[in-house]
Amino acid sequence: DAGITQSPRHKVTETGTPVTLRCHQTENHRYMYWYRQDPGHGLRLIHYSYGVKDTDKGEVSDGYSVSRSKTEDFLLTLESATSSQTSVYFCAISESRGRAGNQPQHFGDGTRLSIL
Amino acid sequence: GNSVTQMEGPVTLSEEAFLTINCTYTATGYPSLFWYVQYPGEGLQLLLKATKADDKGSNKGFEATYRKETTSFHLEKGSVQVSDSAVYFCALSENGGSNYKLTFGKGTLLTVNP
Repeated sequence: DAGITQSPRHKVTETGTPVTLRCHQTENHRYMYWYRQDPGHGLRLIHYSYGVKDTDKGEVSDGYSVSRSKTEDFLLTLESATSSQTSVYFCAISESRGRAGNQPQHFGDGTRLSIL
Repeated sequence: GNSVTQMEGPVTLSEEAFLTINCTYTATGYPSLFWYVQYPGEGLQLLLKATKADDKGSNKGFEATYRKETTSFHLEKGSVQVSDSAVYFCALSENGGSNYKLTFGKGTLLTVNP
């Protein structure tokens, strides 16, 4: 299994509070991703990173920010959490070798976030 | 933009039945195609992939063939087991791009009864 650790695994917090989720990898992969998974929507990309300090927005980036100061860590921050951000969050990583797009993504076990 | 459409579930089968989960896609270029599986409480795991037209991906008895003419990548298994109960996701990524983004279908829940 790919070495991906997400923390925390579960969190309950209140509306308006800041929340930071961490993704840590031991694979030295270049690309890292944050997704949210909601019933009826599958997985939707929030933000991704293509190198240290290089990040870009996905399709549902509003209300989220990310940072990547080291290859192994990718942080997702909800500056002021809202109930609509209650979800399961997955981190994924992928290599950059070979033809772009051919490399699969490997996923962490997820963080279940509840915002009351 | 890119999109992936999967058959809606849930799908309920008896053990040893034949499985088909349909997946069609739209893409601007020539994508790579993937099937992922998610067991309860876990993240997604790559099941199989195909990177060009007519390629067949296979793993653990599952197969899918990249059909460019019908823009499809249907998942099949000849004889399902109870342990195959999970959610299955079809996904694509564009070749030639620099960001390796995946576009997912909404997932299909499969339940296999003994």
